[in-house]
Amino acid sequence: DARVTQTPRDKVTEMGQEVTMRCQPILGHNTVFWYRQTMKQGLELLAYFRNRAPLDDSGMPKDRFSAEMPDATLATLKIQPSEPRDSAVYFCASGTSGRDTQYFGPGTRLTVL
Amino acid sequence: AQKITQTQPGMFVQEKEAVTLDCTYDTSDPSYGLFWYKQPSSGEMIFLIYQGSYDQQNATEGRYSLNFQKARKSANLVISASQLGDSAMYFCAMREGLTSGTYKYIFGTGTRLKVLA
Repeated sequence: DARVTQTPRDKVTEMGQEVTMRCQPILGHNTVFWYRQTMKQGLELLAYFRNRAPLDDSGMPKDRFSAEMPDATLATLKIQPSEPRDSAVYFCASGTSGRDTQYFGPGTRLTVL
Repeated sequence: AQKITQTQPGMFVQEKEAVTLDCTYDTSDPSYGLFWYKQPSSGEMIFLIYQGSYDQQNATEGRYSLNFQKARKSANLVISASQLGDSAMYFCAMREGLTSGTYKYIFGTGTRLKVLA
């Protein structure tokens, strides 16, 4: 049963620290999405990649967030420096271009103190 | 203006009854896709059902069906024979730009469904 995996599942850090979240998309999927979910804002699309190329990261605060796909099996989302307002659940999802369904990972719960 | 509107923040349904969760959308794109996802208390997002804007028939997946009314721009989720395990948050989502190959997904604010025994 193919699944998207995300690490870590939970992260507690202090303000100012760097945070890196990792995602392994489902093998064969060529689109990857990063979302952030908070009670206040709901689910927001931060960035998405197709064939490892970033197509849109307009939803991401550029000054502190960065997203990359070093290879087809790994996507990373980095926050540097982290702030308390970054506390949220960060989801990665993957899919295939041509089909519309995204499959979500379990999420990383980030708490910035 | 909200692109995806879910007007019911919370709903109750009796076990074994059917329930409809409302979703309206707003787009000028002629080609789009509509989705429903379930998020149980454990937090994962589970894909339920998909409807393309050009699909002639309403989508069905087991106990889930999507009541697609294009002229009214609504895409309501119908869950038949509710089960206790259906208690969760349900999100309606839309993907615009199918013909251009963009992947802009917009999610609604969700409806929390509670199934009563």
